[in-house]
Amino acid sequence: AQSVTQLGSHVSVSEGALVLLRCNYSSSVPPYLFWYVQYPNQGLQLLLKYTSAATLVKGINGFEAEFKKSETSFHLTKPSAHMSDAAEYFCAVSPRNSGNTPLVFGKGTRLSVIA
Amino acid sequence: GAVVSQHPSRVICKSGTSVKIECRSLDFQATTMFWYRQFPKQSLMLMATSNEGSKATYEQGVEKDKFLINHASLTLSTLTVTSAHPEDSSFYICSAPLGSNQPQHFGDGTRLSIL
Repeated sequence: AQSVTQLGSHVSVSEGALVLLRCNYSSSVPPYLFWYVQYPNQGLQLLLKYTSAATLVKGINGFEAEFKKSETSFHLTKPSAHMSDAAEYFCAVSPRNSGNTPLVFGKGTRLSVIA
Repeated sequence: GAVVSQHPSRVICKSGTSVKIECRSLDFQATTMFWYRQFPKQSLMLMATSNEGSKATYEQGVEKDKFLINHASLTLSTLTVTSAHPEDSSFYICSAPLGSNQPQHFGDGTRLSIL
């Protein structure tokens, strides 16, 4: 079974400050890991994915995440927050090499950016 | 541009009405699509897996007679909420993987409001 825990349902940062959104996973098999962003009343947009290549993954909009197997973590970071980054962020996991399987999502973290 | 199209984006209707939501993969074939439901300020919960050419697989607790899924072709899956009631009001999102072990791409979601 797989699960995802996102620490902090709401994170607030100042514009220009570091963004850190935490994600820990539990998986009995090697996982694929994803971060998605959701703006109000919209679907989910893929930010980045980890699929067993480099452990430091760079995504869109300046975000990146590092896969740490020893810590079972996949935290999302961005060096400098922008007002447009305010949204809901979801970490998700799926089993690796298992064909088309649904994602298991964390509960989400709402990011607020203060001017 | 969007790779998964979901329609309609918003539906408001009276209790007892049946509502059909379409999910289309654009420029790729999807033998599998997923339907999720999202309550306000909560995460996405998988409802069912839509399989082209066979019956959908429903998650525990999801009424298959209430939420009818038809995967009519390799690019179209539909979710019909039959005899909808106010408790069915929610945000419904579909997704489809671009291929085996590829990230899922999401539609923009359908906001369903039952009066």
